[in-house]
Amino acid sequence: QSVLTQPPSVSGAPGQRVTISCTGSISNIGASYDVHWYQQLPGTAPKLLIYGNNNRPSGVPDRFSGSKSGTSASLAITGLQAEDEADYYCQSYDMSLSGGVFGGGTKLTVL
Amino acid sequence: QVQLVDSGGGVVQPGRSLRLSCAASGFSFSSHAMHWVRQAPGKGLEWVAAISYDGSNKYYADSVKGRFTVSRDNSKNTLYLQMNSLRGEDTAMYYCARDRSTGDYAFDYWGQGTLVTVSS
Repeated sequence: QSVLTQPPSVSGAPGQRVTISCTGSISNIGASYDVHWYQQLPGTAPKLLIYGNNNRPSGVPDRFSGSKSGTSASLAITGLQAEDEADYYCQSYDMSLSGGVFGGGTKLTVL
Repeated sequence: QVQLVDSGGGVVQPGRSLRLSCAASGFSFSSHAMHWVRQAPGKGLEWVAAISYDGSNKYYADSVKGRFTVSRDNSKNTLYLQMNSLRGEDTAMYYCARDRSTGDYAFDYWGQGTLVTVSS
C-alpha cells in the first residue's frame, strides 16, 4: 500500500487531455511538501517530468503540467501522443516517515 | 553531461550481504544530496535511502532501517549502498538518483539501475 494514492490506469485517444491524480495526507502533500512527477518508459529508469508541483525541467514539453491543492496533486497531459504511453509516478516527502514517498504508479494507455 | 552509473548487483542468498556503487560524473557530486530508489519486478518505485551532500546526514525507509547503510566518497564521486541481512523482498532493480536541489527530494538524474536478486 503506497503512501500516495494514484489510479492504477488511465487512457485517452491521441490529441486528448488526460489527468492523473495523486492523493496524500497531512503528513506529506498537505504539509506543504512539494510534489514531483516521473515518467517511466518500459525497461528504462524514471525521468523527472515535473518538480516543485508545477515546474518543468528543460526539455520537457509544455503539454505536461502539474498542480497541487490541499492534500492532492494532479498531472495533466494535453495533446496526447503515442510516445506518452508509460507509467507515471507522483512523489513527495513525508514528515512522519522522515523520507521520500511515491505513489503506486499510473499506467497511461494511448488508444 | 551528468551521468550516474550503477553497479554491484547480482544474485545473493538470503541473509548475505551486497554492496552497490554509483559512479557520478559531469557535475559537482559533493554539492548534491543523493538517494537510492528501488523497484521490485513488476511493481512501483520505493524510496530506500538518502544521504546529504557531505555525508553527515542519512535517512532510511523503515523497510531497510538497521540493515542497509548509505555512504559516499566525495573524493571518488561515488555513492554506496551496503545491504546486509538481505531478504527475498529486497529483490529489485536499484537506482541511484541525484537530488535536484538541497534536499528537496526531486530526483533529476537517475542511474541505469542494477538488479539485485535474493534467492537461495
